[in-house]
Amino acid sequence: DQQVKQNSPSLSVQEGRISILNCDYTNSMFDYFLWYKKYPAEGPTFLISISSIKDKNEDGRFTVFLNKSAKHLSLHIVPSQPGDSAVYFCAASAGNNDMRFGAGTRLTVKP
Amino acid sequence: EAGVAQSPRYKIIEKRQSVAFWCNPISGHATLYWYQQILGQGPKLLIQFQNNGVVDDSQLPKDRFSAERLKGVDSTLKIQPAKLEDSAVYLCASSSSDPTWDTQYFGPGTRLTVL
Repeated sequence: DQQVKQNSPSLSVQEGRISILNCDYTNSMFDYFLWYKKYPAEGPTFLISISSIKDKNEDGRFTVFLNKSAKHLSLHIVPSQPGDSAVYFCAASAGNNDMRFGAGTRLTVKP
Repeated sequence: EAGVAQSPRYKIIEKRQSVAFWCNPISGHATLYWYQQILGQGPKLLIQFQNNGVVDDSQLPKDRFSAERLKGVDSTLKIQPAKLEDSAVYLCASSSSDPTWDTQYFGPGTRLTVL
């Protein structure tokens, strides 16, 4: 039962351009959404989050957008840097911190 | 502040053998999680502890997996006996006492290969 889906397994962008990573969910009870970033041989690192009462949250180069009616969220990275190359996981929680993760999108930022 | 520690980092065993993983959460974090991440998939929660009590173990295969968190700090996850499909990265995470909104911080994981 895949409640959180990241349909793009990979994304490649040029340095300086915008990276847009997408995530869809099916459980309408999810009320807290997070993005994690993972480098090889390391655990996921928290990047940014958003609660369902907001539709946008910004932190430096990273912005997360939430569209509740479409059950869709996206992560925008502007401008993209080579150090942003990693696997990005979308996660969602229904208030009990039982997070469900997507399968991840591998972002490659080319110099 | 030290992060979540896990050991070993890598483990190779044969099927039907037993294996144990250890996790030391961030100091002061009351909630501890074990996740299984199979290659190409996102992490899947196996068990969640609040202090030394189990909050959720609904996705833990209890016929072969067990976990404990004695004294509410360190935790061990055991697989006995292991199967080929248990090959995965086992991630430990911790968060502070409020489980509703708090961020989970992950350790580096233990990569298990079952031959």
